[in-house]
Amino acid sequence: QVQLRESGPGLVKPSGTLSLTCAISGGSIGRDLWWSWVRQTPGEGLEWLGEIFHTGSTNYNPSLRGRATISIDKSTTQFSLNLTSLTAADTALYFCARTRDSVTFTNSHYFDLWGQGALVTVSS
Amino acid sequence: SYVLTQPSSVSVAPGQTATITCGGDSIGSKLVHWYQQKPGQAPVLVVYDDKGRPSGIPERFSGSNSGNTATLTISRVEAGDEADYYCQLWHSTSFQYVFGTGTKVTVL
Repeated sequence: QVQLRESGPGLVKPSGTLSLTCAISGGSIGRDLWWSWVRQTPGEGLEWLGEIFHTGSTNYNPSLRGRATISIDKSTTQFSLNLTSLTAADTALYFCARTRDSVTFTNSHYFDLWGQGALVTVSS
Repeated sequence: SYVLTQPSSVSVAPGQTATITCGGDSIGSKLVHWYQQKPGQAPVLVVYDDKGRPSGIPERFSGSNSGNTATLTISRVEAGDEADYYCQLWHSTSFQYVFGTGTKVTVL
């Protein structure tokens, strides 16, 4: 079955850039799926960061103020997150997830598959 | 921004029913999804579109949504149901995915 796996450095310096990759195994990028990044912190809970479509079209959480970039590589069935200008507040467990559109309703989207998560600590 | 409020914790005895609420302004007009997250694991979708149940999720998990409150109900609670539960919706006005604050379910 389809599985997602995040990879990337566990420790990043303040003001630096975080780069994470999500490898999709057992399936393809697909032509009707969005792929998302979600992070989790003890204080803020779950926070959606952004998503990408197989065409490269993206949507981002405005709270990130333009610091996030998500890209996709269909040849390697991977998608990536870059997050710049890091602070301690970006320390979190980062998940990649498959976003599913409801087949019954419009304006209904949810995450039906998640990676195991990658812990990222921002510290000097 | 749109806020989803959940109780921080719910305690329930085995075999009883756990009720987890998710409050939001006119949430009944939106579609709500629920996730279960056990310690050290990724979230798992347990209810979608208010009351849909993904393949493999027991019938003991059910959802409803009306007015300003969406509800996840776990019937005949088992020890393995002990986890954090989160509600989520797509807020079309702000074009964002919004998660609830999370509820820790403890099985006594």
